[in-house]
Order: sequence, then C-alpha cells, then structure tokens
Amino acid sequence: GAVVSQHPSRVICKSGTSVKIECRSLDFQATTMFWYRQFPKQSLMLMATSNEGSKATYEQGVEKDKFLINHASLTLSTLTVTSAHPEDSSFYICSAPTAQGNEQFFGPGTRLTVL
Amino acid sequence: QKEVEQDPGPLSVPEGAIVSLNCTYSNSAFQYFMWYRQYSRKGPELLMYTYSSGNKEDGRFTAQVDKSSKYISLFIRDSQPSDSATYLCKSGYNKLIFGAGTRLAVHP
Repeated sequence: GAVVSQHPSRVICKSGTSVKIECRSLDFQATTMFWYRQFPKQSLMLMATSNEGSKATYEQGVEKDKFLINHASLTLSTLTVTSAHPEDSSFYICSAPTAQGNEQFFGPGTRLTVL
Repeated sequence: QKEVEQDPGPLSVPEGAIVSLNCTYSNSAFQYFMWYRQYSRKGPELLMYTYSSGNKEDGRFTAQVDKSSKYISLFIRDSQPSDSATYLCKSGYNKLIFGAGTRLAVHP
C-alpha cells in the first residue's frame, strides 16, 4: 500500500519554541493531507485539512495562527506548532487519501512533548 | 448525537476467541466504511474498507455493513495477542469521521 512518512517521530522542546512536523507521501501524490491530534487513550481529532497550493481548512476550535500548515508540494505538508506550550503535548498524525479518495494512509505519528 | 459512535471498551478476550467490534453511524448517505488498527504510540493502519451493505472477508477479519440499521462491525476470528490494539471505525472519505476507537486486549 501507499506510504506516508512523518518527521520527526519524537520531539521534546521548551515552552515558547516552535516545532515543525513534516508529512510526506512517498509513492503517490497527495493534493490533500489531513492533520490529526491524539491525546492519550483518546480518538483521533481532525485539526485541519491541508490543500496543495491553497490555504488549509481548519476545524472548529483549532487556532490557525498557532498551528501553521503549509502544503508546499504534492508530496509534502508541514505543520508548525508555534509558541508551543505544555498543553500542546500530544501525538500528531498526518494522513493522505489516495487519488480515488476512498482509502486513507496514515503517517507513523510525531510525539510532541513540551516542557 | 455523534455521527459515528463506537464503544471505547476496553474489551478483554482470551486467545482464540471471536471478537466483535461495532460502530453505529447516523448519516444514511455514508457509503464507505473503514476499519483501522492502531497499536500504542503508532499511527493507524487501514485494515479493511467496505461500501454499501454486505460482508468483506480478509483472512481472520470480516467487515460487515448493515445500512438498514446503520451498523458496521468487524469480526476477528481466532484472536491472537498480536491483535491487541485500538480499532477505529471511520465512515465516509471526504469528511473524515472516526469513532472513538475500541481498545482490545487478547490475553494468552
């Protein structure tokens, strides 16, 4: 199946710093990518939809100025957590649909810990 | 009412048992139904997807959709300890709606 990678897999940072997470589709092009956040023992919560060449669409309650999304190419989307705080500590996962749209492939996730 | 509802469990079964995982959904227009498996601290992986009513089988896994009752199920036969994970159902493919996930533990 299709492969989606994420980098880094784990990051620990100090409060107030910004963290960038990359999501790449390795063997297919993705005009759309999705960013999720998952707190321990909870389900995936969609944060935003990243669109290649246009602005991301954010879910209600997600601050677009805090979670900056850039979909620079058909294989790369980045999520930047700006001025991170301990409450931003979570598991961030991206996914990309196939061109047909009926399958969704997830990256391995990035565990962010803000001290 | 949530659009996709799933009992979070946890569900604990002995090795070899048949496991039944279930979700209900509220939007009768949904056509695609997926099951994902997520191991601890990993991203979800697609297990199966089905559309419309009926069954789909893949090895020990069977996905079942009953559109009349808006009910989707995943059956695992001869469950193994390696099946221990969280199983998430998802309906639709445009607007992504996940169930809460059911944590399954298969003990030897």
